This record gives sequence, structure tokens and C-alpha cells, in this order.
Amino acid sequence: GAGVSQSPSNKVTEKGKDVELRCDPISGHTALYWYRQSLGQGLEFLIYFQGNSAPDKSGLPSDRFSAERTGGSVSTLTIQRTQQEDSAVYLCASSLSGTSGSYEQYFGPGTRLTVT
Amino acid sequence: QQPVQSPQAVILREGEDAVINCSSSKALYSVHWYRQKHGEAPVFLMILLKGGEQKGHEKISASFNEKKQQSSLYLTASQLSYSGTYFCGTGGSNYKLTFGKGTLLTVNP
Repeated sequence: GAGVSQSPSNKVTEKGKDVELRCDPISGHTALYWYRQSLGQGLEFLIYFQGNSAPDKSGLPSDRFSAERTGGSVSTLTIQRTQQEDSAVYLCASSLSGTSGSYEQYFGPGTRLTVT
Repeated sequence: QQPVQSPQAVILREGEDAVINCSSSKALYSVHWYRQKHGEAPVFLMILLKGGEQKGHEKISASFNEKKQQSSLYLTASQLSYSGTYFCGTGGSNYKLTFGKGTLLTVNP
């Protein structure tokens, strides 16, 4: 079946502009995660959704970052007034459930964001 | 807190073995292992749970020492396709995983 998809695959934007990154999880997966990966670094947790609710937004770096999920499916990560330090690969993952750590996460191919 | 992976990088010849370690300062419920090839999405390899349950690919083996809060991934008879960056993600009893910085594995012919 279809995996996790993300769009766009690449985004170049000017400093100060807003960007929206989209994630389409695997059908039936109730849990959805956003991560950020900078060069040579691991995966930095941003936010977690269970259904449409985001019980954990603790990883969002600043109030310029927000995310929503609608219909228990598609999620959008929005970065307002982008800064150069926002440049990174943004990865989305989904899993059957987030109620325990026993479910594997399936990752999308990521969106490479470059802020000039 | 971020788990510590070692080594940071390893180079093998095809057919050689490698061990990648993941160590946490916190009590663990689960350890996840993923492999990421350059420019691609991380791919699930294995989950190890407190109490001994494991699930993952048959050709991958790993261990989880709950007392030491450590996990090791064993790659035997390496193939060229094993090349990539290996990440461990450690977690409590809920959804949240904290990932290490990764171990870059290069397998040469």
C-alpha cells in the first residue's frame, strides 16, 4: 500500500516568508509525528498527533512553528517568518498508534527547506 | 535526553561484522532502530521492548540490556546494501522517541 507522502520535496524560501509543509500519513494510522533533521544531526522531535489532537507540542522550537491535523489524516506544519536557522529536512512519520512505544514509525521522504 | 550512539562511523568490507551501540541515561521502555540511506527516509529495522519482546526484520539482530539502559544492533556478514546511517530511538512507555545522532556505516566491496 501507499507509504507516507510529503510535499513539497524541496522548498526554497526567502527569510521572513511563511511556508507550509504537508504530510499524508498511511491510511489507518492514528499517530503522526513531525521531526526536524539538520545536517549531521539526529531526528529532533517537533510535535505528535493522536487523531486530530496534539497532546505534545513540546518540541516546537518557537511560536513561529505550528501544526494541525484534520480528519485524522493530513497534517500541515507551518513556519511563519522563516529564519535561516529553520533550514533543515522536515520529516513526517506515522504509526498505528501512539499509545505505547511498541509501534514502529513509518517515515515520509521529507521536505528539504532552505531559507535564503 | 538524547541517547549516545557509538561508534559515530564505521567502515567495513563486504562480509565483515559490526556492532552499533546505543546508550541512554534514562530508564527505557523501548528501543527502536532505523536505517537511513542518503537522501531517503529512515526505514524501520527493529523494536526492542522492556521485558524481552522484539519485532523487526528477520535478518537483523539486536539486544536490549534494561539494567544498563543500553541496546546493541548486530550486523553480520555485511552486504553493500547495509550502508547508511543507523539511528536508535529510545522511549518511555508512550509514543515519544528520542533519537541519537546516528552511526554512519559504509560497506565497501
